[in-house]
Amino acid sequence: SAVISQKPSRDICQRGTSLTIQCQVDSQVTMMFWYRQQPGQSLTLIATANQGSEATYESGFVIDKFPISRPNLTFSTLTVSNMSPEDSSIYLCSVEVQGQSSYNEQFFGPGTRLTVL
Amino acid sequence: GNSVTQMEGPVTLSEEAFLTINCTYTATGYPSLFWYVQYPGEGLQLLLKATKADDKGSNKGFEATYRKETTSFHLEKGSVQVSDSAVYFCALKTGAGTALIFGKGTTLSVSS
Repeated sequence: SAVISQKPSRDICQRGTSLTIQCQVDSQVTMMFWYRQQPGQSLTLIATANQGSEATYESGFVIDKFPISRPNLTFSTLTVSNMSPEDSSIYLCSVEVQGQSSYNEQFFGPGTRLTVL
Repeated sequence: GNSVTQMEGPVTLSEEAFLTINCTYTATGYPSLFWYVQYPGEGLQLLLKATKADDKGSNKGFEATYRKETTSFHLEKGSVQVSDSAVYFCALKTGAGTALIFGKGTTLSVSS
């Protein structure tokens, strides 16, 4: 398993500003993902955070808006840039842990609840 | 592409009623299938999983069987409790190193 912490747990920001969310894992993991959960919606994958290289973004998400860093195997940051009220969401960090079966289980952090005014 | 379709909610039941939440998927190959639960004010938790056809995942009285012929993974519970009130997400994973793909989620509300 994996224990994931995120900072901050919540924040209220003004439009046009940026917020950096930190994700820390208690063990080394290969795969880290960032998701967004808009109010009342499901989880949408933003990007896969690759250690030592640029993140891989899903359709509809771009690096200029959501820059991601992954300096080592236990830590990643997601920045939400030039925020607008439409960015109000819960942002979740997720990691994949290698298991004994044919799949690897994903664990989720507690999320960062962002409100943009 | 790969996707998950869940029945629309909310689902409102009385305590001890039978629960079914439908989930179907579209995927290349043979994905692993999951049900996650999000209780009010809490994070996302894995409820159960199945990694190959005909596998049955079970946990806390919930069950789901991986049906390849109907590409389904319906969640069932014989007798729901008020404490089961939560949002339930069906999800798939196509292999190691790939990210989970989620359905839209189904809100379950159980009253006493």
